[in-house]
Amino acid sequence: QVHLVESGGGVVQPGRSLRLSCAASGFTFRSYVMDWVRQAPGKGLEWVAVISHDSEAIFYADSVKGRFTISRDNSKNTLFLEMNSLRPDDTAVYFCARGSTIATFDYWGRGTLVTVSS
Amino acid sequence: DILLTQTPLSLSVTPGQPASISCKSDRSLLHSSGRTYLYWYLHKPGQPPQLLIYEVSNRFSGVPDRFSGSGSGTDFTLKIRRVEAEDVGVYYCMQSLHLPYTFGQGTKLEIK
Repeated sequence: QVHLVESGGGVVQPGRSLRLSCAASGFTFRSYVMDWVRQAPGKGLEWVAVISHDSEAIFYADSVKGRFTISRDNSKNTLFLEMNSLRPDDTAVYFCARGSTIATFDYWGRGTLVTVSS
Repeated sequence: DILLTQTPLSLSVTPGQPASISCKSDRSLLHSSGRTYLYWYLHKPGQPPQLLIYEVSNRFSGVPDRFSGSGSGTDFTLKIRRVEAEDVGVYYCMQSLHLPYTFGQGTKLEIK
């Protein structure tokens, strides 16, 4: 059973940093593409970043490029999102999602809330 | 970026009645391989989003057969044959043909 659990969210001041984690279980983590997707309060879903199974290919949404870094540790079945220079409009629930040959996001975690506020 | 436009943005349906959601793309989502990278997700309150339909018309594992997807190119539709109370939530179409992956605005389904 695929299980994705995000952690690391919280309240942070504008300009500060935060690191999110996503612990994966129930599948061979090192074989799958992984993504981060976010949902601002009252808004829809927004794709944030993707990382290939071997970390060789990484892409970001323009809204976070240069500020966020996606990474993974296949030995620990964990996905990360390092978020720097946070802005109030980064406030959102951040979901990790698995990508497969069937679908870009076939399984999602429950998300972790990041609030950027002074 | 590829723009996906969903209609309607909200839907109130009596249990047992059908429902239909449209998703229109400003560019074709057909890949040269013949695959079309259009998906449907349901986000229920308090739960992670769940995949319903992949590549236009394929139901994901465990998805009831009252859900169906259709369409091609730029026009797509999600249909629920007979709505049940558990179908409430926000439905999103999504494309992954081109980065950045983009979602429709979402359609909120409520039960009358």
